[in-house]
Formats: sequence, structure tokens, C-alpha cells
Amino acid sequence: QVQLQQSGPGLVKPSQTLSLTCAISGDSVTSNLAAWSWIRQSPSRGLEWLGRTYYRSKWYYDYAISVKSRITINPDTSKNQFSLQLNSVTPEDTAVYYCARDLSTAMGDWGQGTLVTVSS
Amino acid sequence: QSALTQPRSVSGSPGQSVTISCTGTSSDVGGYNYVSWYQHRPGKAPKLIIYGVSQRPSGVPDRFSGSKSGSTASLTISGLQAEDEADYYCCSYAGSFVVFGGGTKLTVL
Repeated sequence: QVQLQQSGPGLVKPSQTLSLTCAISGDSVTSNLAAWSWIRQSPSRGLEWLGRTYYRSKWYYDYAISVKSRITINPDTSKNQFSLQLNSVTPEDTAVYYCARDLSTAMGDWGQGTLVTVSS
Repeated sequence: QSALTQPRSVSGSPGQSVTISCTGTSSDVGGYNYVSWYQHRPGKAPKLIIYGVSQRPSGVPDRFSGSKSGSTASLTISGLQAEDEADYYCCSYAGSFVVFGGGTKLTVL
């Protein structure tokens, strides 16, 4: 059974960097079948896919156009986890952030969610 | 990379059936058989209820079914129950992207 455990601060100041980590148990971040995604949810936008990383003999990264200039997703093979960094945040980035395991766009395993508020 | 189009809300009485549509383009829904649907209740993580257009994960009741015609996918919930009241989101692979619909609020009357 796959479990995803998120960690990171719930409050970030405007213009600073949002950083979250998703620790994986029951699978490997280097799996050749899975992709590892970040999604956020807000009342105004609903669910919004932010990006993913996956390993197919080398690492690949896909990012949503809306955040492409500000986002980095990094795998950490030594800790079997992956992270999200979102730079230059504004109050519009306030949302519940989720990590998820993606098997051909079937995201059956999700982290518990982290409410991140962008405020001074 | 535009969001897929869903109705903002649908409603039905217990025992009835409802269908939620999800309209995209040939670059996403119409181009791949990688459409999934998620049930989202407040305070909980989204739950996968349909993947691969019409496949149900184990544990999901067969009251939930999915289909696709051209660039429009559909989720049908038959035999509505009070516990089905939630937000529902469609999702599609789109090449180097994944795109969600705007979400549909299902109210069980």
C-alpha cells in the first residue's frame, strides 16, 4: 500500500518561496511506472495540476504553463521523496497543496494535503 | 493548456441518475484514453473513482461509470445516495501536461 506523507510550512510571506516535501512509502520515486505530481486546490480555481517528475532511464519534468517560470519539482532518491518549490508567491497561491502518485493520469494515492497561506 | 469544461452544478434525488460532462479538445480528452474522475469532499484528499475513461478502481461501486465520445467525457452516477454529495473533477492527459476540469458540485436533494 502506497502512502504519501507531506511536510512543510503552512504560512509563507509574499515574494518568498513555498517549499513542500512528499515522502513516499510502498513505492519508489525511481519507479518506471509512476509519475510524482503536485496539485493544489482553492475555492476559486478548483483542482489545478502544477507539475510532475518521473524516471524513465533519466529524469523528466513537466510543469503547468501557469507556474512554469516559478516552479521546481525535485526527486530525492536517498530519502525516497520529492519536493515542490514555488518562487515569488502571492496571495493567489494560497491553496491546499497535495502530492500524488500518477499512474497514466490515474492518481489513486494522495498525500494528506497542506494548507499554505500566503500572507505577511 | 485550458481547463476542461464541466457544469458548475448538478442535482438529483436519491435513487435517480445524474451525468456530468467534461468537454476538452483533440489535444486532451479527444486525443487520449487517459481520462480520470475524482470525488472531492471538503477537508479530504480527492478520491479516484474512474480512470482510463471507464475503469473503476477496486472498492468503487459500480454505480459510478465513465464514457467518452469525441472530446467529451462523461461520468454517470446511478442510484444516487446522500453520500455521493461532493465535488467531482475530470482530468485528462494532454501530452506533456495534465489538465483538470473546473469541477462540478453534486447536490443530492
